[in-house]
Amino acid sequence: QKEVEQDPGPLSVPEGAIVSLNCTYSNSAFQYFMWYRQYSRKGPELLMYTYSSGNKEDGRFTAQVDKSSKYISLFIRDSQPSDSATYLCAMSETGGSYIPTFGRGTSLIVHP
Amino acid sequence: NAGVTQTPKFRILKIGQSMTLQCTQDMNHNYMYWYRQDPGMGLKLIYYSVGAGITDKGEVPNGYNVSRSTTEDFPLRLELAAPSQTSVYFCASSPTGQTYGYTFGSGTRLTVV
Repeated sequence: QKEVEQDPGPLSVPEGAIVSLNCTYSNSAFQYFMWYRQYSRKGPELLMYTYSSGNKEDGRFTAQVDKSSKYISLFIRDSQPSDSATYLCAMSETGGSYIPTFGRGTSLIVHP
Repeated sequence: NAGVTQTPKFRILKIGQSMTLQCTQDMNHNYMYWYRQDPGMGLKLIYYSVGAGITDKGEVPNGYNVSRSTTEDFPLRLELAAPSQTSVYFCASSPTGQTYGYTFGSGTRLTVV
């Protein structure tokens, strides 16, 4: 079992839909949880991060962490064609080098 | 403010050749990282550095070497290129080790034939 599991998709939705992207993990020591967005032929850019459990909202994006289930989610409301990208989850432990473990990424396509 | 700059953007190498992938950041970040990204496989850490003169291996260091003589530069050296090194390489930097502070470059797409 991989430390971080993420469905590669692609996930295709119509414009305006609510999108749910998810990752599961096995390492209970993970405390920092991040979502990166990567457009085609570009480097990843940090979208959101949360520490420990709970929700965090930023505009149309909501990040959710359920540590009891070892499950994190990214919700995108009112999805736009410009949201079409690959979304990578990443997580790390506290202390030490903080080196994150990345998921494989989920390809999202929002069609007009 | 350029952020993290990687050169070249594309390169084709023949088996057995060597090359250096350049990475420069202008944010005065102490931490720098090299990742490779294979299709559908996520990001794998090759090497990282916590400051000038200090480097350490990541998950997949074999076939690569790094050096960090200045805060700004973190070149990645490929010796004796092999087809398995065909990948997209990303350099990243952060002010501290916290992973939510990463800034990535735009990548170098390398093909070994």
